[in-house]
Amino acid sequence: EDQVTQSPEALRLQEGESSSLNCSYTVSGLRGLFWYRQDPGKGPEFLFTLYSAGEEKEKERLKATLTKKESFLHITAPKPEDSATYLCAVARGDYKLSFGAGTTVTVRA
Amino acid sequence: GAVVSQHPSWVICKSGTSVKIECRSLDFQATTMFWYRQFPKQSLMLMATSNEGSKATYEQGVEKDKFLINHASLTLSTLTVTSAHPEDSSFYICSARDRDRGSYEQYFGPGTRLTVT
Repeated sequence: EDQVTQSPEALRLQEGESSSLNCSYTVSGLRGLFWYRQDPGKGPEFLFTLYSAGEEKEKERLKATLTKKESFLHITAPKPEDSATYLCAVARGDYKLSFGAGTTVTVRA
Repeated sequence: GAVVSQHPSWVICKSGTSVKIECRSLDFQATTMFWYRQFPKQSLMLMATSNEGSKATYEQGVEKDKFLINHASLTLSTLTVTSAHPEDSSFYICSARDRDRGSYEQYFGPGTRLTVT
């Protein structure tokens, strides 16, 4: 059975304090690993898709990387507006996504 | 691009009544749409997969007669919660796959907050 585990559950950062979020996964036949950002009371916002080990994607202060067993979302010099819950998901062969529980990031000014 | 809308954004209904939620892909065609529910401080739970022109497939434990899904066109799917009860109160979110991209990415709507009194 597919499993997606995110850590830590919550992360409190000072503005400018870089850090990383972890997403470890077990899935038979990875069709893609996705990162989403979700603000309170909103739907998830697509950030990145990673398909193969060694792949990296960047967007502003965020960088996602992928290995055969885990993915990292690096937040460089975060700002308060980066505060959100970050969700990791893996795609299965039937196009469904299995989500992790998320990491809630709070960035203090 | 890849914008998904939901309507309404929030709804309050009385126990025993039905409520319909619409999900639309605004700038792409979606052969497949998905319906999720999310409880406070929890992750998304897939309820059903909706394919244009065919019957929806439901995840284990989801009552298909209670949560009616219709995917009548390539841009619209609807979820009807029938005979709603307070335990159906939740945040319902839809997502859609872009037919022309051929990828596994899902684009999510803003969600609908349902409160059953």
